[in-house]
Amino acid sequence: AQRVTQPEKLLSVFKGAPVELKCNYSYSGSPELFWYVQYSRQRLQLLLRHISRESIKGFTADLNKGETSFHLKKPFAQEEDSAMYYCAFSGSRLTFGEGTQLTVNP
Amino acid sequence: EAGVAQSPRYKIIEKRQSVAFWCNPISGHATLYWYQQILGQGPKLLIQFQNNGVVDDSQLPKDRFSAERLKGVDSTLKIQPAKLEDSAVYLCASSLRGADNEQFFGPGTRLTVL
Repeated sequence: AQRVTQPEKLLSVFKGAPVELKCNYSYSGSPELFWYVQYSRQRLQLLLRHISRESIKGFTADLNKGETSFHLKKPFAQEEDSAMYYCAFSGSRLTFGEGTQLTVNP
Repeated sequence: EAGVAQSPRYKIIEKRQSVAFWCNPISGHATLYWYQQILGQGPKLLIQFQNNGVVDDSQLPKDRFSAERLKGVDSTLKIQPAKLEDSAVYLCASSLRGADNEQFFGPGTRLTVL
């Protein structure tokens, strides 16, 4: 069965600190992996996808097939990064994790 | 470029009543999705259309939920009759092609069933 696990529902860091949002998946095939973000009062939107290997807003995510993980990282968090982050993967359908609410404190 | 439009934004009904939601995807997007997002959870796919054909409705509770996408553009999602556990945000999304493409989401409809 397709499954995405985000172990932390809430994550709080201070501005300028590194941040890592964890994501693990279970799927027998080769999925396409995504991070979606929802800022306060805004729509859910794509942050990045592993196939593009881009850094968006300073965030990166590396696919580790051995550990079946796709953790999202940023070396220096900013207050505007405060949002709900969802890890998702596309197997037969797009499957979302339960999300991590990131709060970056001043 | 106009985004995905949904209406209504909010709806409150009593259990056993019926409700319908409407979605207008981004122009030219072949694939349309309906998701259910219960408070504290991630979005869960209910149904996926490719043009006006159903690609995946395996997680749609077909005894009470129905959806259609006439002419391969707009779509409606209906619940009849509603149950308390249907209280959720219903999200519509669209993409150029399939589920491995970037999906663009609408603002959602928040449904409360009393």
